[in-house]
Amino acid sequence: GIQVEQSPPDLILQEGANSTLRCNFSDSVNNLQWFHQNPWGQLINLFYIPSGTKQNGRLSATTVATERYSLLYISSSQTTDSGVYFCAVLYSGTYKYIFGTGTRLKVLA
Amino acid sequence: GAGVSQSPRYKVAKRGQDVALRCDPISGHVSLFWYQQALGQGPEFLTYFQNEAQLDKSGLPSDRFFAERPEGSVSTLKIQRTQQEDSAVYLCASSLARTAGGRGYNEQFFGPGTRLTVL
Repeated sequence: GIQVEQSPPDLILQEGANSTLRCNFSDSVNNLQWFHQNPWGQLINLFYIPSGTKQNGRLSATTVATERYSLLYISSSQTTDSGVYFCAVLYSGTYKYIFGTGTRLKVLA
Repeated sequence: GAGVSQSPRYKVAKRGQDVALRCDPISGHVSLFWYQQALGQGPEFLTYFQNEAQLDKSGLPSDRFFAERPEGSVSTLKIQRTQQEDSAVYLCASSLARTAGGRGYNEQFFGPGTRLTVL
């Protein structure tokens, strides 16, 4: 079946550390997005990245569509980076976005 | 407003009551999605509209759930005879373009959600 798996499920970092979050998907995709869900529940758009590499400040993302994975890099983490990170994919030929299981990140001061 | 808005932000219902949740998408956005997010889980797709047409409702968990977008803008998710298992956050998202069938520009933008608690 259609799957979107994220790893690691939980991550604790010291402020200033770097991290890599991974999203694996099981079929070809039209769209892929990374979100940060803050402690108040708001989903914040990080990247719209069905393929290629993008950077925004301390964050960057790479999607290798042919190998069916995407990576989110967080550098010099801050306490405000804490929350849950989701990837969401839209498989080709469908309308249904599938969210991954999420990575819960906690950054300690 | 500039973003997706949802109302009410919080709703408490007694089991068996009907509820209606509203979503105001970003102006001009063609596509509109509803999701259900249970505590500790990722959002799960409920239904999708392209303008006023409901093109996918495969995620609606039962026939007690009904969604509409009659004029292709505001959408309402209605839950009849609420049950305790309906307690969740209901999220709405919109995007500018169409989704299936191509790689058009269709980044989703989410509203703040409605937290529904059924007692």
